[in-house]
Amino acid sequence: DAGITQSPRYKITETGRQVTLMCHQTWSHSYMFWYRQDLGHGLRLIYYSAAADITDKGEVPDGYVVSRSKTENFPLTLESATRSQTSVYFCASSEQGFSNQPQHFGDGTRLSIL
Amino acid sequence: GEDVEQSLFLSVREGDSSVINCTYTDSSSTYLYWYKQEPGAGLQLLTYIFSNMDMKQDQRLTVLLNKKDKHLSLRIADTQTGDSAIYFCAGGKTGANNLFFGTGTRLTVIP
Repeated sequence: DAGITQSPRYKITETGRQVTLMCHQTWSHSYMFWYRQDLGHGLRLIYYSAAADITDKGEVPDGYVVSRSKTENFPLTLESATRSQTSVYFCASSEQGFSNQPQHFGDGTRLSIL
Repeated sequence: GEDVEQSLFLSVREGDSSVINCTYTDSSSTYLYWYKQEPGAGLQLLTYIFSNMDMKQDQRLTVLLNKKDKHLSLRIADTQTGDSAIYFCAGGKTGANNLFFGTGTRLTVIP
């Protein structure tokens, strides 16, 4: 089925470990985004990408790394996980830029860092 | 940046109307969105409104925008138990890098 898929759905890891969250979309959307959802904060943008090989920081990029070698994939890596990065992570995509196109969301990855 | 505020909780009885409110600080927001998040799922776009509109209606959903007061609301008519979810308002500006989300309002529909 076409859409946007995230993997894994759930992940438990330890502080200091590297962990990569995957995001794949089948619409060939130009823009892709990573958000984290925390109680009391709503969704906060971590990184976004306007096209393959073009990425930029969002509101809370520290501790995260992204890449986009192919249009359909946008992995998010926590190079050395910390407890403060325990959160639910959402990937989204849109055909064009932020404001005039709706964003389509994946079902999220619930990440727990012990 | 932009602050987008919502009340955290709302409870209504099945069949009643629900009104979810949102206030924002940046008056230059060009587009304002409402998203719905069901348990364990991502955000689903419900509707959006351009800043040059006062109202938009889509079946049971009515969006009202008061630009002077920077206030956005989502009215759900004849609320059903399937409407129980978290509702997020979000604002975006043309050419801006961020889409700013509110904290979300958890709507509980009581049978």
